[in-house]
Amino acid sequence: DQQVKQNSPSLSVQEGRISILNCDYTNSMFDYFLWYKKYPAEGPTFLISISSIKDKNEDGRFTVFLNKSAKHLSLHIVPSQPGDSAVYFCAAGTGANNLFFGTGTRLTVIP
Amino acid sequence: DAGVIQSPRHEVTEMGQEVTLRCKPISGHNSLFWYRQTMMRGLELLIYFNNNVPIDDSGMPEDRFSAKMPNASFSTLKIQPSEPRDSAVYFCASTGTHSNQPQHFGDGTRLSIL
Repeated sequence: DQQVKQNSPSLSVQEGRISILNCDYTNSMFDYFLWYKKYPAEGPTFLISISSIKDKNEDGRFTVFLNKSAKHLSLHIVPSQPGDSAVYFCAAGTGANNLFFGTGTRLTVIP
Repeated sequence: DAGVIQSPRHEVTEMGQEVTLRCKPISGHNSLFWYRQTMMRGLELLIYFNNNVPIDDSGMPEDRFSAKMPNASFSTLKIQPSEPRDSAVYFCASTGTHSNQPQHFGDGTRLSIL
Protein backbone atom coordinates (compact mmCIF):
# COMPACT_ATOMS: atom_id res chain seq x y z
CA ASP A 1 0.00 0.00 0.00
CA GLN A 2 1.20 3.51 -0.77
CA GLN A 3 2.78 5.15 2.26
CA VAL A 4 2.96 8.51 0.50
CA LYS A 5 -0.01 9.76 -1.48
CA GLN A 6 -0.48 12.63 -3.85
CA ASN A 7 -4.19 12.60 -4.55
CA SER A 8 -4.19 15.25 -7.26
CA PRO A 9 -2.67 13.91 -10.46
CA SER A 10 -2.75 17.36 -12.06
CA LEU A 11 -3.08 21.04 -11.26
CA SER A 12 -3.38 24.11 -13.49
CA VAL A 13 -2.58 27.60 -12.26
CA GLN A 14 -2.36 31.01 -13.88
CA GLU A 15 1.06 32.61 -14.08
CA GLY A 16 1.69 34.85 -11.08
CA ARG A 17 -0.76 33.03 -8.83
CA ILE A 18 0.05 30.59 -6.04
CA SER A 19 0.43 26.87 -6.73
CA ILE A 20 -0.30 24.54 -3.82
CA LEU A 21 0.65 20.89 -4.13
CA ASN A 22 -0.42 18.48 -1.43
CA CYS A 23 0.93 15.22 -0.04
CA ASP A 24 -0.22 12.83 2.68
CA TYR A 25 1.73 10.11 4.42
CA THR A 26 0.72 7.26 6.68
CA ASN A 27 3.77 6.44 8.79
CA SER A 28 4.12 8.59 11.91
CA MET A 29 7.79 7.57 12.16
CA PHE A 30 8.69 9.53 9.04
CA ASP A 31 10.90 12.46 9.95
CA TYR A 32 12.35 13.64 6.64
CA PHE A 33 10.31 15.07 3.79
CA LEU A 34 11.30 16.31 0.35
CA TRP A 35 9.88 17.64 -2.87
CA TYR A 36 11.37 16.80 -6.24
CA LYS A 37 10.61 18.36 -9.60
CA LYS A 38 10.72 16.38 -12.83
CA TYR A 39 10.78 17.59 -16.42
CA PRO A 40 10.01 15.18 -19.29
CA ALA A 41 12.88 12.85 -20.23
CA GLU A 42 14.89 13.94 -17.20
CA GLY A 43 15.36 12.54 -13.73
CA PRO A 44 13.75 14.09 -10.66
CA THR A 45 15.73 17.01 -9.24
CA PHE A 46 15.71 17.96 -5.58
CA LEU A 47 13.72 21.08 -4.80
CA ILE A 48 13.29 21.53 -1.05
CA SER A 49 13.21 19.47 2.13
CA ILE A 50 12.02 19.72 5.71
CA SER A 51 12.70 17.70 8.84
CA SER A 52 10.10 16.86 11.43
CA ILE A 53 11.48 19.36 13.93
CA LYS A 54 10.22 22.21 11.75
CA ASP A 55 6.83 23.05 10.32
CA LYS A 56 7.96 25.36 7.54
CA ASN A 57 10.95 25.75 5.27
CA GLU A 58 11.33 28.45 2.67
CA ASP A 59 13.63 28.77 -0.33
CA GLY A 60 12.88 31.68 -2.59
CA ARG A 61 9.51 31.18 -4.25
CA PHE A 62 9.16 27.69 -2.74
CA THR A 63 7.84 26.96 0.75
CA VAL A 64 7.16 23.56 2.25
CA PHE A 65 4.73 23.23 5.15
CA LEU A 66 4.56 20.20 7.42
CA ASN A 67 1.57 19.30 9.60
CA LYS A 68 2.71 16.29 11.62
CA SER A 69 -0.58 15.74 13.41
CA ALA A 70 -2.39 15.51 10.08
CA LYS A 71 0.50 13.67 8.39
CA HIS A 72 0.31 16.20 5.62
CA LEU A 73 2.78 18.36 3.77
CA SER A 74 2.33 20.89 1.06
CA LEU A 75 4.48 22.83 -1.37
CA HIS A 76 3.61 26.42 -2.14
CA ILE A 77 5.04 28.14 -5.18
CA VAL A 78 4.49 31.87 -5.37
CA PRO A 79 4.44 33.49 -7.78
CA SER A 80 4.07 30.59 -10.22
CA GLN A 81 5.99 30.84 -13.48
CA PRO A 82 5.60 28.91 -16.76
CA GLY A 83 9.00 27.29 -16.14
CA ASP A 84 7.55 25.69 -13.01
CA SER A 85 5.41 23.43 -15.22
CA ALA A 86 6.62 19.93 -14.37
CA VAL A 87 5.71 16.84 -12.37
CA TYR A 88 6.28 17.28 -8.64
CA PHE A 89 7.02 14.27 -6.44
CA CYS A 90 6.66 14.26 -2.70
CA ALA A 91 8.92 11.92 -0.72
CA ALA A 92 8.96 10.97 2.95
CA GLY A 93 10.93 8.61 5.12
CA THR A 94 13.17 8.08 8.11
CA GLY A 95 16.25 9.41 6.36
CA ALA A 96 17.75 9.97 2.96
CA ASN A 97 18.36 6.25 2.52
CA ASN A 98 14.79 5.23 3.30
CA LEU A 99 12.40 7.30 1.20
CA PHE A 100 8.95 6.58 -0.13
CA PHE A 101 7.71 8.57 -3.09
CA GLY A 102 4.25 9.62 -4.15
CA THR A 103 2.88 9.17 -7.66
CA GLY A 104 3.42 12.80 -8.60
CA THR A 105 1.32 15.85 -9.46
CA ARG A 106 1.61 17.43 -12.91
CA LEU A 107 1.63 21.22 -12.54
CA THR A 108 0.80 23.38 -15.53
CA VAL A 109 1.34 27.12 -15.20
CA ILE A 110 -0.66 28.96 -17.82
CA PRO A 111 0.97 32.13 -19.20
CA ASP B 1 30.25 18.26 -11.73
CA ALA B 2 28.97 15.19 -13.53
CA GLY B 3 25.69 13.94 -12.21
CA VAL B 4 24.43 10.39 -12.04
CA ILE B 5 24.89 8.80 -15.46
CA GLN B 6 22.61 6.05 -16.73
CA SER B 7 22.79 4.02 -19.90
CA PRO B 8 21.16 3.26 -22.17
CA ARG B 9 18.58 6.06 -22.22
CA HIS B 10 16.15 3.89 -24.14
CA GLU B 11 15.94 0.15 -24.56
CA VAL B 12 13.47 -1.76 -26.67
CA THR B 13 13.70 -5.51 -26.66
CA GLU B 14 11.61 -8.60 -27.08
CA MET B 15 10.10 -10.56 -24.28
CA GLY B 16 12.44 -13.21 -22.93
CA GLN B 17 15.63 -11.30 -23.66
CA GLU B 18 18.11 -10.27 -21.01
CA VAL B 19 18.25 -6.56 -20.25
CA THR B 20 21.10 -4.80 -18.46
CA LEU B 21 20.80 -1.23 -17.20
CA ARG B 22 23.88 0.65 -16.08
CA CYS B 23 24.54 3.44 -13.60
CA LYS B 24 27.52 5.55 -12.61
CA PRO B 25 26.87 7.41 -9.36
CA ILE B 26 28.26 10.81 -8.46
CA SER B 27 31.90 10.52 -7.42
CA GLY B 28 32.23 10.40 -3.65
CA HIS B 29 28.67 9.25 -3.04
CA ASN B 30 28.48 6.03 -1.07
CA SER B 31 24.80 5.13 -1.39
CA LEU B 32 23.14 4.05 -4.62
CA PHE B 33 19.49 3.37 -5.32
CA TRP B 34 17.56 1.78 -8.18
CA TYR B 35 13.95 2.90 -8.67
CA ARG B 36 11.21 1.98 -11.10
CA GLN B 37 8.63 4.55 -12.14
CA THR B 38 5.14 3.54 -13.19
CA MET B 39 1.97 5.57 -13.54
CA MET B 40 0.15 3.54 -10.91
CA ARG B 41 2.80 3.37 -8.21
CA GLY B 42 5.06 6.31 -8.89
CA LEU B 43 8.70 5.82 -7.91
CA GLU B 44 9.28 2.47 -6.25
CA LEU B 45 12.58 1.58 -4.61
CA LEU B 46 13.95 -1.68 -5.99
CA ILE B 47 17.28 -1.95 -4.19
CA TYR B 48 19.69 0.19 -2.20
CA PHE B 49 23.47 -0.20 -1.83
CA ASN B 50 25.68 1.36 0.79
CA ASN B 51 29.44 1.23 0.26
CA ASN B 52 28.82 -1.25 -2.60
CA VAL B 53 26.92 -3.67 -0.34
CA PRO B 54 23.21 -4.37 -0.96
CA ILE B 55 21.35 -3.20 2.13
CA ASP B 56 17.69 -3.52 1.16
CA ASP B 57 16.48 -5.49 -1.84
CA SER B 58 12.94 -6.01 -0.60
CA GLY B 59 11.60 -4.00 -3.52
CA MET B 60 13.05 -6.28 -6.17
CA PRO B 61 9.90 -7.72 -7.73
CA GLU B 62 11.07 -11.23 -8.57
CA ASP B 63 14.07 -13.46 -9.02
CA ARG B 64 14.20 -12.28 -12.62
CA PHE B 65 15.66 -9.03 -11.28
CA SER B 66 19.21 -8.78 -9.97
CA ALA B 67 21.53 -5.90 -9.18
CA LYS B 68 25.24 -5.63 -8.58
CA MET B 69 27.66 -2.94 -7.53
CA PRO B 70 31.17 -4.29 -8.19
CA ASN B 71 32.82 -0.99 -7.25
CA ALA B 72 31.99 2.52 -6.03
CA SER B 73 31.57 3.91 -9.52
CA PHE B 74 29.38 1.36 -11.26
CA SER B 75 26.17 -0.57 -10.78
CA THR B 76 23.98 -2.75 -12.98
CA LEU B 77 20.36 -3.81 -12.85
CA LYS B 78 19.63 -6.93 -14.83
CA ILE B 79 16.32 -8.46 -15.86
CA GLN B 80 16.41 -12.01 -17.17
CA PRO B 81 14.11 -13.06 -18.73
CA SER B 82 12.30 -9.80 -19.43
CA GLU B 83 8.51 -9.57 -19.63
CA PRO B 84 6.18 -6.87 -21.04
CA ARG B 85 5.09 -5.87 -17.53
CA ASP B 86 8.68 -4.82 -16.82
CA SER B 87 8.21 -1.88 -19.20
CA ALA B 88 8.80 1.28 -17.19
CA VAL B 89 11.35 4.02 -16.59
CA TYR B 90 14.18 2.90 -14.34
CA PHE B 91 16.08 5.51 -12.35
CA CYS B 92 19.35 5.32 -10.51
CA ALA B 93 20.11 7.77 -7.69
CA SER B 94 23.02 8.35 -5.35
CA THR B 95 23.66 10.25 -2.16
CA GLY B 96 26.61 11.06 0.05
CA THR B 97 27.65 10.31 3.59
CA HIS B 98 26.12 13.27 5.42
CA SER B 99 22.79 12.54 7.02
CA ASN B 100 19.77 13.71 5.08
CA GLN B 101 21.61 14.67 1.93
CA PRO B 102 19.01 14.50 -0.84
CA GLN B 103 19.27 11.78 -3.44
CA HIS B 104 20.49 12.85 -6.87
CA PHE B 105 18.86 11.10 -9.81
CA GLY B 106 20.06 10.14 -13.26
CA ASP B 107 17.89 10.80 -16.30
CA GLY B 108 16.59 7.25 -16.35
CA THR B 109 16.33 4.38 -18.80
CA ARG B 110 13.02 3.99 -20.60
CA LEU B 111 12.55 0.25 -21.04
CA SER B 112 10.02 -1.24 -23.44
CA ILE B 113 9.55 -5.00 -23.57
CA LEU B 114 7.57 -6.12 -26.61
